[in-house]
Amino acid sequence: AQSVTQLDSQVPVFEEAPVELRCNYSSSVSVYLFWYVQYPNQGLQLLLKYLSGSTLVKGINGFEAEFNKSQTSFHLRKPSVHISDTAEYFCAVRGGNEKLTFGTGTRLTIIP
Amino acid sequence: DTEVTQTPKHLVMGMTNKKSLKCEQHMGHRAMYWYKQKAKKPPELMFVYSYEKLSINESVPSRFSPECPNSSLLNLHLHALQPEDSALYLCASSQDHPSNYYGYTFGSGTRLTVV
Repeated sequence: AQSVTQLDSQVPVFEEAPVELRCNYSSSVSVYLFWYVQYPNQGLQLLLKYLSGSTLVKGINGFEAEFNKSQTSFHLRKPSVHISDTAEYFCAVRGGNEKLTFGTGTRLTIIP
Repeated sequence: DTEVTQTPKHLVMGMTNKKSLKCEQHMGHRAMYWYKQKAKKPPELMFVYSYEKLSINESVPSRFSPECPNSSLLNLHLHALQPEDSALYLCASSQDHPSNYYGYTFGSGTRLTVV
């Protein structure tokens, strides 16, 4: 079985400040890891994914994430946030032939 | 075309109505999914179609009936729904299932309200 934990349900950040959204996972097999963003009243958009290879993954909109196997983490970072980054962010994991499992989400709010 | 298109965007239906949600993709993906998302919650998987065959049914009530007429289309037929079925219904597709190497592409969803 696999699971995803997003410990922070809400993260307020001042505009132009850096942000880190935390994600920890558990799985008995090798995993694929994803971050999705959901803007209000919209579907989910893929930000970035880790499949294999380099542990530092760069995505769209200036986001990046680092896969840490020893800590079973896949934290999302951005060095300088913008108002338009206000959204819900979901970490997701898929291992082996399992279905995609989502975390409970983190609401990122940018403060002007 | 790199999109998943869902129609309608909003739907209000009574508990005795029959309605359908539609989903379309032209990316050549052979797996398609229905998810249900309640407010402030992550998406919950309902159904998976792989090569136009129902692959996974997550114990969804029979008032939800999926259909995959061809590799580009996915429908969700709704009948005798309850107010608690009000949610955002998301369609997604991927190249394959379960060998899903590239991730899922999601549509914008249908906001369903049952009155």
